[in-house]
Amino acid sequence: QVQLVQSGAEVKKPGASVKITCKASAYTFNIYTFHWVRRAPGRGLEWMGWINTGSGDTKYSQDFQGRLTITRNTSASTTYMELSSLRSEDTAQYYCTRDSPRNLYFKLWGQGTLVTVSS
Amino acid sequence: QSVLTQPPSVSGAPGQTITISCTGTSSNIGAGFHVHWYQHLPGTAPKLLIYDNTNRPSGVPDRFSGSKSGTSASLAITGLQAEDEADYYCQSSDTSLGGSRVFGGGTKLAVL
Repeated sequence: QVQLVQSGAEVKKPGASVKITCKASAYTFNIYTFHWVRRAPGRGLEWMGWINTGSGDTKYSQDFQGRLTITRNTSASTTYMELSSLRSEDTAQYYCTRDSPRNLYFKLWGQGTLVTVSS
Repeated sequence: QSVLTQPPSVSGAPGQTITISCTGTSSNIGAGFHVHWYQHLPGTAPKLLIYDNTNRPSGVPDRFSGSKSGTSASLAITGLQAEDEADYYCQSSDTSLGGSRVFGGGTKLAVL
């Protein structure tokens, strides 16, 4: 069964970093582009960035430039999202998802990872 | 401020029809990029409802339909049901942002 499985919930202090994993199963990993999307309380879905799992190329939303790093380990079929200099506004549910060059929509999603930033 | 503009909320009674608009610009929807729609309940993964403007994935009821014209798109839900109460988002891509994906601000649907 094709699925994306994310790591568990995290609690961080302001100024810290968080790294979330997203493991893909049951299909060819490196033909897709993986994206990270978040939803903070009282706010809408927010696209954060993507990684081309074949080339390793990345693209980040300007809203996260300098704080966001997306990487991948092709042998482990896993992508990683690291967000640094956390602040309370980064408290959110974070999702990984994927699309492909011909189909720029998100059909398969991870289950979500709750990140809570609190002192 | 989202790149794609949606109304913050809509409402309707069971059995009625509602539409949700998604307005973009010449660098996203107007540039020919497809529009996709998602249903989201907080705490769960978003669900793809409509892809490539008008297509429904298998398992999505035909009560949901999408359209696109110019720099705008719409999602229509007919025969409203209580279970349709959720947040709805449009999504596309944007050339001015180097191929970034963009979401609308979201529309909360209340079934009265």
